Amino acid sequence: DIQMTQSPSSLSASVGDRVTITCQASRDISKYLNWYQQKPGKPPKLLIYDASTLETGVPSRFSGRASGRHFTFIIDNVQPEDFATYYCQEYDNFPLTFGGGTKVDIK
Amino acid sequence: QVQLQESGPRLVKPSETLSLTCTVSGGSIGTDYWSWIRQSPGKGLEWIGYVYYTGSTSYHPSLESRVTISVDTSKNQFSLNLKSVTAADTAIYYCVRDGSVGVFENWGPGTLVSVSS
Repeated sequence: DIQMTQSPSSLSASVGDRVTITCQASRDISKYLNWYQQKPGKPPKLLIYDASTLETGVPSRFSGRASGRHFTFIIDNVQPEDFATYYCQEYDNFPLTFGGGTKVDIK
Repeated sequence: QVQLQESGPRLVKPSETLSLTCTVSGGSIGTDYWSWIRQSPGKGLEWIGYVYYTGSTSYHPSLESRVTISVDTSKNQFSLNLKSVTAADTAIYYCVRDGSVGVFENWGPGTLVSVSS
């Protein structure tokens, strides 16, 4: 199985901050990485696929980058509705695997 | 917009079979891949497997001996059966539409299934 190491596991931010979350794959997954947002009591919501492509309707303050096995998820100018838990997920290999999640809360 | 809804028992006894059905509305199940994913505090998000509308499947190796996912195109539904459950199978179970394999675009609201006697 591919291991997705996501960090940090939690962070605190203020409205307007830039938030950065990373995921490291245990082996090459090309660009096959997604990012999801999950709010309490709700299912995850797809934000980014193919490492950097924004899903339709997702605000442009969200972005993703890839560099080898290292993936970065960024929220520029974080808004109150962005406080949630974020997950990465690879889809290059079966079984499909998720990172452990990053909880973003209000400072 | 495709919508998904899980249904089935919320409480299952140890050693019995967990059975869930996902009803798809707003679109045809006769395209795309359809997955089951579960979420527990101890193990985070775990992909269980998928079914293609043709009936072909792929399962997580750790669950493969216990899991069956099937599709009923006439009812626009797909189903999960997980046999010989233990407390470790207690989780929120989500049914999901894959836009392409492994890209989980549409999720059901999830259903908490507890394994307990």
